[in-house]
Amino acid sequence: GENVEQHPSTLSVQEGDSAVIKCTYSDSASNYFPWYKQELGKGPQLIIDIRSNVGEKKDQRIAVTLNKTAKHFSLHITETQPEDSAVYFCAAISNTGGFKTIFGAGTRLFVKA
Amino acid sequence: GAVVSQHPSRVICKSGTSVKIECRSLDFQATTMFWYRQFPKQSLMLMATSNEGSKATYEQGVEKDKFLINHASLTLSTLTVTSAHPEDSSFYICSARLGRKLREQYFGPGTRLTVT
Repeated sequence: GENVEQHPSTLSVQEGDSAVIKCTYSDSASNYFPWYKQELGKGPQLIIDIRSNVGEKKDQRIAVTLNKTAKHFSLHITETQPEDSAVYFCAAISNTGGFKTIFGAGTRLFVKA
Repeated sequence: GAVVSQHPSRVICKSGTSVKIECRSLDFQATTMFWYRQFPKQSLMLMATSNEGSKATYEQGVEKDKFLINHASLTLSTLTVTSAHPEDSSFYICSARLGRKLREQYFGPGTRLTVT
């Protein structure tokens, strides 16, 4: 079935450094790739997304890149801050097959002050 | 952005009892609602998809008689865990979809279920 692999599972960076999280998807029909931030005891919050017809998107300190040929997409956080510490999930969605969201396993990001 | 609420946020129940979790879209009508289950330090696993007025579609391995889903209106879906057991203890998250635009899916804050 459809699968999204996410790496690394844990990432620890110093405040001010950059953090990169990488995902690979298997379903060629996937055409929308959101990234979610989940804080402890809360639901996921959308932080950025990218569609399959776009290669890169940036929103302030957050950027996402997509390589559709390789089925890779990545999240880049620059100038990390302690409040960026959370679990980040990548996901892939196809608008065929009922909009099912397939999540990656998650990356626990620690930003050390 | 759109808001999805869940009630209760936390619930503790005894083994063998049933518990109902509500998911509401507060400021929009949701064409589709999804229920997820999340174990500690793990990802969200889709349990079922429900459309208003229709029977829910369950993912493989999810017992439909164990996890009853009712989507009675465009703003409310309920998940009832029947005859709960300790292994049902988990974090349950719903999401609601507005229309067919890919971006328009909003997640609830989750419900922590503990079965003793």
